[in-house]
Amino acid sequence: GQQLNQSPQSMFIQEGEDVSMNCTSSSIFNTWLWYKQEPGEGPVLLIALYKAGELTSNGRLTAQFGITRKDSFLNISASIPSDVGIYFCAGSRNQFYFGTGTSLTVIP
Amino acid sequence: DAGVIQSPRHEVTEMGQEVTLRCKPISGHNSLFWYRQTMMRGLELLIYFNNNVPIDDSGMPEDRFSAKMPNASFSTLKIQPSEPRDSAVYFCASSSQGLGRSYEQYFGPGTRLTVT
Repeated sequence: GQQLNQSPQSMFIQEGEDVSMNCTSSSIFNTWLWYKQEPGEGPVLLIALYKAGELTSNGRLTAQFGITRKDSFLNISASIPSDVGIYFCAGSRNQFYFGTGTSLTVIP
Repeated sequence: DAGVIQSPRHEVTEMGQEVTLRCKPISGHNSLFWYRQTMMRGLELLIYFNNNVPIDDSGMPEDRFSAKMPNASFSTLKIQPSEPRDSAVYFCASSSQGLGRSYEQYFGPGTRLTVT
């Protein structure tokens, strides 16, 4: 079953605003990944994190691997309409687990 | 470079029929994963293969589901007999486990299955 709690569940923001979402677990993970899924498509890998404390950017996206190894954060700066979609976190230990997703709507 | 290829993209079938979903992983990747996505349960890992060998099939719902990987470039997920509760989007993903970025899974576009 699900072991990752992702929040918020949904977000409605104005274009240009920054976005923050997070993922927490009761267990330690060795790897954290963030994916984006658009309607009718498969999840697309955005950022992969491999070390506790690691901070990695991909354009306007920045993700961090929490120091406790039980959480991760994704920030999107200066949102644009094409950022809409569902963002999933995923953690890996011996198995691979997905979060429940954050649905992002950007209002032009 | 071609990504993960899945076929068919959409499948509508009647309860009791056999359904076969197909996947071609990214060339050079040695791990392949089958997922099911529903609104109620989110993304669930069904089974994964490493070097064509099934490693973990604990997510396979029941004996009606079976998966094979006869070679490094092809895998199938079969449901027989299908039931309405099998309706979902089925994703295939692949990765290069054993190398530096072993947990970066790349997903196909999915197969939307509807069982009536």
